[in-house]
Amino acid sequence: GNSVTQMEGPVTLSEEAFLTINCTYTATGYPSLFWYVQYPGEGLQLLLKATKADDKGSNKGFEATYRKETTSFHLEKGSVQVSDSAVYFCALSVGNNAGNMLTFGGGTRLMVKP
Amino acid sequence: EPEVTQTPSHQVTQMGQEVILRCVPISNHLYFYWYRQILGQKVEFLVSFYNNEISEKSEIFDDQFSVERPDGSNFTLKIRSTKLEDSAMYFCASSGALSGNTIYFGEGSWLTVV
Repeated sequence: GNSVTQMEGPVTLSEEAFLTINCTYTATGYPSLFWYVQYPGEGLQLLLKATKADDKGSNKGFEATYRKETTSFHLEKGSVQVSDSAVYFCALSVGNNAGNMLTFGGGTRLMVKP
Repeated sequence: EPEVTQTPSHQVTQMGQEVILRCVPISNHLYFYWYRQILGQKVEFLVSFYNNEISEKSEIFDDQFSVERPDGSNFTLKIRSTKLEDSAMYFCASSGALSGNTIYFGEGSWLTVV
């Protein structure tokens, strides 16, 4: 089956620190990979995605590269801000068509201190 | 920017009562979903809906659950007789041909069963 494993949180960083949140996956078929973010009191928002090997998704200073050889999609940001404090979810779906369900990781809470 | 909207944002109900959670998906989307997140746990897929019928459902989506698209805009999740373990955040989501395999989520409906 499909599964996503993320590093457990919380991850606590000081402002301007470098962030890495690890994500690895197993999938039957060729997955697309996603990072969603959930800010306090809000719903899930798509942060970035990558649909094929070696693609790099990026948004708001966050990046993640689809690594097929290591089945990973680690999230990185060079300099975090307090406003990045949120829960980050790695997810996959198999197939490139609309209608495919998402499988989520457990989420990683990021806390950024001023 | 178009968004998925959900009501209510929070509902408290007594065990055994019926609950209906409502969602308005993004207007040109054709695929609709419900996911749930029990406090502190993973976001889990419940059901997907396309062309006025269920296209996929998980083990969680038993006979107590049903979905409906009663008109051209709303998409509802009904829980027939709520149990304590149904307490969770329920996310509605939608996707469409133009969004490829990207699924857009609402802000969630927090259900508390007492």
